[in-house]
Amino acid sequence: NAGVTQTPKFRVLKTGQSMTLLCAQDMNHEYMYWYRQDPGMGLRLIHYSVGEGTTAKGEVPDGYNVSRLKKQNFLLGLESAAPSQTSVYFCASSYGDLTYYEQYFGPGTRLTVT
Amino acid sequence: QQQVKQSPQSLIVQKGGISIINCAYENTAFDYFPWYQQFPGKGPALLIAIRPDVSEKKEGRFTISFNKSAKQFSLHIMDSQPGDSATYFCAASTGNQFYFGTGTSLTVIP
Repeated sequence: NAGVTQTPKFRVLKTGQSMTLLCAQDMNHEYMYWYRQDPGMGLRLIHYSVGEGTTAKGEVPDGYNVSRLKKQNFLLGLESAAPSQTSVYFCASSYGDLTYYEQYFGPGTRLTVT
Repeated sequence: QQQVKQSPQSLIVQKGGISIINCAYENTAFDYFPWYQQFPGKGPALLIAIRPDVSEKKEGRFTISFNKSAKQFSLHIMDSQPGDSATYFCAASTGNQFYFGTGTSLTVIP
């Protein structure tokens, strides 16, 4: 039982390049989330999904797209990377509504955009 | 604007002392208030959580105090240990909108 895994762990992009971050969970969780963590800002919710085939915007969705084609995977895409997207990205999952169920975080992906 | 305000930004405590971290919020729709612990290079992990129908929750050395009228809640770590050295985040949520505080870096000196 690996929990929540993220691929890759580190990545350096040039401005304007695109990439996809992959999150996978093996806990059969319905809900999945993408956060970014910046110094002095805490974690901020980018997008989330309440089930396969669904996605919704969080607090800071601009510049990102997501897809949830399979229940166990949640992809975060950057179509045209900008230096402002330099951050540590965390994926999380939960069985259901966060008011009632714990969310479990992955180990993070450190992205640098030059 | 920051939905959840957390202080202090950093905290140094002697081993055996009490660590106190405070958070405040404005949105009265928030109905769940968790605290997360994060070690370097790791994702956050749930430490303890409270709902607004109680004023205090204790789990081992960790206690949340909740003041609904003041819209404030705090984490108390009793008998702080060097292994407690980490970054602590408060959070508040309603539905699937989840807001974290800016974090407190705790260092416990042996």
